[in-house]
Amino acid sequence: EAQVTQNPRYLITVTGKKLTVTCSQNMNHEYMSWYRQDPGLGLRQIYYSMNVEVTDKGDVPEGYKVSRKEKRNFPLILESPSPNQTSLYFCASRTGQGVGYTFGSGTRLTVV
Amino acid sequence: DQQVKQNSPSLSVQEGRISILNCDYTNSMFDYFLWYKKYPAEGPTFLISISSIKDKNEDGRFTVFLNKSAKHLSLHIVPSQPGDSAVYFCAASVGYGQNFVFGPGTRLSVLP
Repeated sequence: EAQVTQNPRYLITVTGKKLTVTCSQNMNHEYMSWYRQDPGLGLRQIYYSMNVEVTDKGDVPEGYKVSRKEKRNFPLILESPSPNQTSLYFCASRTGQGVGYTFGSGTRLTVV
Repeated sequence: DQQVKQNSPSLSVQEGRISILNCDYTNSMFDYFLWYKKYPAEGPTFLISISSIKDKNEDGRFTVFLNKSAKHLSLHIVPSQPGDSAVYFCAASVGYGQNFVFGPGTRLSVLP
């Protein structure tokens, strides 16, 4: 089944403890992206990648890092999480000519 | 300042009637628009798109209308079904850009 898989689905962590949210897609898509969803703000893009080793900042990149060493994987790294990064995170992918992104099921992160 | 606005946080419609979800945008450079549907505990799923060279696009029960002069688009669902109950996000980009700007979403409830 074609899908984008994120792990974990839920995570509670403490301020300053580094964490990684993994994302993997099995559709051989070139483009991958991370979004966060907050009430009243919709989905905002954090980082995106056009292909292996090619990444760029979205609208809200502060406090996040990403890497794209393989085509299928696009992990999101929070080096020193803070409470304002408590949010619902979505990974997404699409082909170069794709109409819209295919989204993962989301990771709900709480930073206390 | 939000570039994509969905001014109705929620909408309730009777089963079988028409649902109309509205979206306004401020950036005149946007020329590609999408609608996504999101169920609880799932990622958004792509529904329908329209480019600025068209003013209407249909897919089954779903029709999107674009009024470029008013910077307004709408999604019509006819007839509405209880399974259409979800949050609907409008998104816009400049071309097939990486950075789709999302609206805050409208929660549609279709009542049996």
